Amino acid sequence: ETWLTQSPGTLSLSPGERATLSCRASQSVSSSFLAWYQQKPGQAPRLLIYGASRRATGIPDRFSGSGSGTYFTLTISRLEPEDFAVYYCQQYTTSPPEVTFGGGTKVEIK
Amino acid sequence: EVQLVESGGSLVQPGGSVRLSCAASGFTFRNYWMSWVRQAPGKGLEWVANINQDGSEKYYVNSVKGRFTISRDNAENSLSLQMNSLRAEDTALYYCTIDTSGYYTFDYWGQGAQVTVSS
Repeated sequence: ETWLTQSPGTLSLSPGERATLSCRASQSVSSSFLAWYQQKPGQAPRLLIYGASRRATGIPDRFSGSGSGTYFTLTISRLEPEDFAVYYCQQYTTSPPEVTFGGGTKVEIK
Repeated sequence: EVQLVESGGSLVQPGGSVRLSCAASGFTFRNYWMSWVRQAPGKGLEWVANINQDGSEKYYVNSVKGRFTISRDNAENSLSLQMNSLRAEDTALYYCTIDTSGYYTFDYWGQGAQVTVSS
């Protein structure tokens, strides 16, 4: 089983600042199958990034993803008020087929 | 517009059973993998199960194998999750999701169905 560890657990920043979130895998993950989600209180998660670096439909370009192998990052270039939320990374492995999520990073207003 | 509407959530005693359903619309249901993802109160996300387009492939997280069964009805555009031998740790909001990207992601989500396992 592939474990995903997200850091930091909480990130306290001000609007306009840059946020860098990390996701580390216990074994190599195909970049094709690494995704990031945003979840706000009381809402379902929303897909932000898939294939490690591809923005999902309608996602602003201040969100970007990068990385390969066992280390991936999600960067929010300039935080907007609506970006304060919890972010999860997610991976898929083919053999055996399994999906795992990281524990999440909460981005809160400083 | 893609819509996923879950139903069937309830309060059930340990050892009991619940069947969740998800009504899908706004896309060609039979063309896509479907999944269930759950979220325990105040906790993170956990993938539960998925099923391929014709229902011939089904996969489960280890903790529910042998207890949960995912199924689909392409004629009715519906997804189901039969949950047996329920435990307190199965208490969660269960989301119906779809992968339209082909990258094994969860592109669209329903609003969730609450399952609470308690005596």
